[in-house]
Amino acid sequence: NAGVTQTPKFQVLKTGQSMTLQCAQDMNHEYMSWYRQDPGMGLRLIHYSVGAGITDQGEVPNGYNVSRSTTEDFPLRLLSAAPSQTSVYFCASSSTTASKAFFGQGTRLTVV
Amino acid sequence: SQQGEEDPQALSIQEGENATMNCSYKTSINNLQWYRQNSGRGLVHLILIRSNEREKHSGRLRVTLDTSKKSSSLLITASRAADTASYFCATDGLRDSNYQLIWGAGTKLIIKP
Repeated sequence: NAGVTQTPKFQVLKTGQSMTLQCAQDMNHEYMSWYRQDPGMGLRLIHYSVGAGITDQGEVPNGYNVSRSTTEDFPLRLLSAAPSQTSVYFCASSSTTASKAFFGQGTRLTVV
Repeated sequence: SQQGEEDPQALSIQEGENATMNCSYKTSINNLQWYRQNSGRGLVHLILIRSNEREKHSGRLRVTLDTSKKSSSLLITASRAADTASYFCATDGLRDSNYQLIWGAGTKLIIKP
């Protein structure tokens, strides 16, 4: 069982570059979300989706876009990378918005 | 905004000892969850306790919930080196008409051999 698959695991970007973090789940979960994790802090919600075609902003959405064209995939786009976006990014899925969450292995992003 | 606050921020104990970490939260909840994160990895769900439950066990884990004090504790008995990780609590909070998981900053647990 793959669960939640995130790619890439590591990425270095230059300021102003754009990129897409990929996330896919094979559990037929309706709810998917993206978090960022910074040292000494808990997870902060960037964007979430309650089903295909439906996305919404979380706590820290600025500088990020998402789309949900299928139940399985929920990519996160960085439009113009900034050093403040240096972080570890996690994708998660669950059957409902606040039920047991399954996480990907994370993407460690450095913006220089 | 953080709903859950873990205490202590860091804990270092000898292998075989018990480890207790606490989580406090601010608003009423439907459930509270605990997760483990090994260094550089994703979070793994440990246990979910509902607001009408007071205690729950899973293997060497015991979770208690006191809704009157808005707090929960996670006890790991007979700790092992493999328990070295960060532990997070997450509560369900209402945000934009959806219940979302709101996370504490975590407790870093180190088990010394």
